[in-house]
Amino acid sequence: GQNIDQPTEMTATEGAIVQINCTYQTSGFNGLFWYQQHAGEAPTFLSYNVLDGLEEKGRFSSFLSRSKGYSYLLLKELQMKDSASYLCAVRGADSWGKLQFGAGTQVVVTP
Amino acid sequence: DAGVTQSPTHLIKTRGQQVTLRCSPKSGHDTVSWYQQALGQGPQFIFQYYEEEERQRGNFPDRFSGHQFPNYSSELNVNALLLGDSALYLCASSFGQGGAEAFFGQGTRLTVV
Repeated sequence: GQNIDQPTEMTATEGAIVQINCTYQTSGFNGLFWYQQHAGEAPTFLSYNVLDGLEEKGRFSSFLSRSKGYSYLLLKELQMKDSASYLCAVRGADSWGKLQFGAGTQVVVTP
Repeated sequence: DAGVTQSPTHLIKTRGQQVTLRCSPKSGHDTVSWYQQALGQGPQFIFQYYEEEERQRGNFPDRFSGHQFPNYSSELNVNALLLGDSALYLCASSFGQGGAEAFFGQGTRLTVV
């Protein structure tokens, strides 16, 4: 089976940096995804990591360490609109399409 | 270019009834996956359709069934509704079974009373 853990909630100030950690235990691994979900809306794709290292995309970066079963999403220069739930999801080696999601981390950005 | 579209957006049903939810994938996508998201939780995988066949299934009872049409659109059917089936139902589309990016629709909010 798969187990994906991420913090429930994080609070940060506008303009600051926040790092959301995600740890996972899977029987195989074929990619880790981060999604952003605003309340009442669909999840939107942020990043995809399949190899170790850092992927940077504008204000958002995602890091993966397969040996440690660990990833983080880094949000820089926080804006009020970044207040949302951030979902970590893993695709196992035996499940090409199936994504196993964590419960999500609610990020609250304060003025 | 239309993204993933789902209908209806909201639905209220009575316990024991049956419901059908619909999904049109993003243009160029041929794979559709369905997820159930309870309040405050991450989405849970229900099943995936590719080439009009169910390819993978999550831990959901047989009351949950689906279909994919030749135009790649898909339906999710739930029979004998329970109060616990109340959730946001999300459809995600991608290209091929192992597509790197899955795009989600806005979801159907189902309330069972």
